[in-house]
Amino acid sequence: NAGVTQTPKFRVLKTGQSMTLLCAQDMNHEYMYWYRQDPGMGLRLIHYSVGEGTTAKGEVPDGYNVSRLKKQNFLLGLESAAPSQTSVYFCASSYFGPNEQFFGPGTRLTVL
Amino acid sequence: LAKTTQPISMDSYEGQEVNITCSHNNIATNDYITWYQQFPSQGPRFIIQGYKTKVTNEVASLFIPADRKSSTLSLPRVSLSDTAVYYCLVVPEGDQGGKLFFGQGTELSVKP
Repeated sequence: NAGVTQTPKFRVLKTGQSMTLLCAQDMNHEYMYWYRQDPGMGLRLIHYSVGEGTTAKGEVPDGYNVSRLKKQNFLLGLESAAPSQTSVYFCASSYFGPNEQFFGPGTRLTVL
Repeated sequence: LAKTTQPISMDSYEGQEVNITCSHNNIATNDYITWYQQFPSQGPRFIIQGYKTKVTNEVASLFIPADRKSSTLSLPRVSLSDTAVYYCLVVPEGDQGGKLFFGQGTELSVKP
């Protein structure tokens, strides 16, 4: 099993550009999460999903949109990137509830 | 929501036992305590979870006193590879993930 994978690993955007980050899991997990991590800070939850077709806002949802059209995939979109969105983005999944989450390797995004 | 407080950093030497204490004074009756480990440039990894008393697995032990207002993660005989950031989280009962807060964690540095 590959576990949780994230695409791409690195990306540089210019202010105003859009992009989509892809998270895929092969563990048949119901729950999926998107976090961002900034230097000196812990992880902050952006959006999460409790099942296919569902999404919910986390602590810092502004400027991001998500979709969970398939159970195994959770997409994070930035419609108009801003320098404040420069961060490392982590995706995670869990079978049921947030107690034991499996994290992906992260995507390092820089917005110029 | 039960906020957690843990030391920002700790130093140790190889072979020593390391105890990282987390305070969560406002923990609710049915909340769980969960610990994650994060190595540099990687996503967090679930270590251990408990509700009360003591839990042990192949990686660590978790001690929770009767009042549950704190918990201690114990790493036996640490090695250089245990150098990482350790996060203490309180998981509210029934939470789907929207109330998880990782905080800054404790940066453990193990020296030879």
